Order: sequence, then structure tokens, then C-alpha cells
Amino acid sequence: EAGVAQSPRYKIIEKRQSVAFWCNPISGHATLYWYQQILGQGPKLLIQFQNNGVVDDSQLPKDRFSAERLKGVDSTLKIQPAKLEDSAVYLCASSFSGTLNSPLHFGNGTRLTVT
Amino acid sequence: DQQVKQNSPSLSVQEGRISILNCDYTNSMFDYFLWYKKYPAEGPTFLISISSIKDKNEDGRFTVFLNKSAKHLSLHIVPSQPGDSAVYFCAGKIQGAQKLVFGQGTRLTINP
Repeated sequence: EAGVAQSPRYKIIEKRQSVAFWCNPISGHATLYWYQQILGQGPKLLIQFQNNGVVDDSQLPKDRFSAERLKGVDSTLKIQPAKLEDSAVYLCASSFSGTLNSPLHFGNGTRLTVT
Repeated sequence: DQQVKQNSPSLSVQEGRISILNCDYTNSMFDYFLWYKKYPAEGPTFLISISSIKDKNEDGRFTVFLNKSAKHLSLHIVPSQPGDSAVYFCAGKIQGAQKLVFGQGTRLTINP
């Protein structure tokens, strides 16, 4: 089966600019996650979708980050305006049902550098 | 508030020997623990998990041990192979939620 697709692979922007990341989950996977991984740290959940509804966005900085999952398939994560501390790898993951018996499948991530 | 801690940023092991990666946690509400493996420029991949009601789970060369009283778990890899060189993340799943809380990761290097 095809894996989780993410684009772009790399992005360099200046602070205060905006950026968007795209994710296409594995076909049939109802649950989609966006994680932020800062260098030297483990991934941190930003937002979780079940189909096109938000399940958990408690750690999403809503003043600058937004995410949507139209039609319950693809998802986009946007940062506007970006700050230096947003430099990180943004990982998208999906799972079949959102339960532990369907482990998360991660994409290769988008590496964002904010200068 | 670091709920899951991997105190060793790196570990070097000779090929064929046992690799032991450690993880400590503080949240008693975790009901599952998982280990993920990550190669450079790739996303993490699921390796093995253990329920909080168990103390051991084995899958081929990989065994995870859980000590609830010490709030400690470990991943054993025997025998270690060069392809095992990667970053390993420990994660806890909070009971009643699907959110995973990850540790900082341990970089394992297997030397030939």
C-alpha cells in the first residue's frame, strides 16, 4: 500500500512569512495527525482529526497555526506568521481507526527552517 | 513537563551483542507504551508495543519489558544488527485518548 505522502520535503522562509504543508494519508485511514518535531526532541502532537472533525487540538498554537481536513482525506497545516521557534520537522501520520490496534503510519515529514 | 523521558541521547553497541534502550515515565494514566524507530529523513515506524497490564512483550529480536512500580520500560534487541542503527522513540498512550506522548529519542549505533 502507498504510504503517507507529504509535501514539500523542505521549506525555508523568513520570520513573519506564511507557509503551508500538505498531507495525503493512507487510503481508508480515518484518523489523521499532525506532529511537530523540534531538533533533539520527540514528536509533539499538534492536532488530530477523525474523518474531517477535530478530536484534539489542545497543543496547537491557534494564534498562528491552523489546519483543515476537507472531505476527510487530505489535510493542510498552515503557519501564519512564522516565528524562529517554528523551525522543526512537521510530521503527518494516519491510522485506520484511531485505536491502538491500528498503529500510526508516519510520512517522511516536511523540514521547515525559519530564518 | 516531560512525561516520557529517554535519558540516554545515544548508545553504541557491537554487532551481535544486546542493545538495551531505556525509558522512564511519570504519567500513571498511560495504558499502552510503544516503541518507534526512525531512520534519517524518514518518518518514525512502529516497532513494538506493550499494554500496561503486561510486563513483557516479545516480537522476534525485539522484547519490551515494563516495570510499573518503577515507571520504567526498556527495549531489548538481540542480536543487534547494523540495520538497527536508528533513533528509537518511546511513547506512552493516555488512557481514553489516542494521543501519544513521545520521549526525546535515543540514537542507537551498531558497530560492525
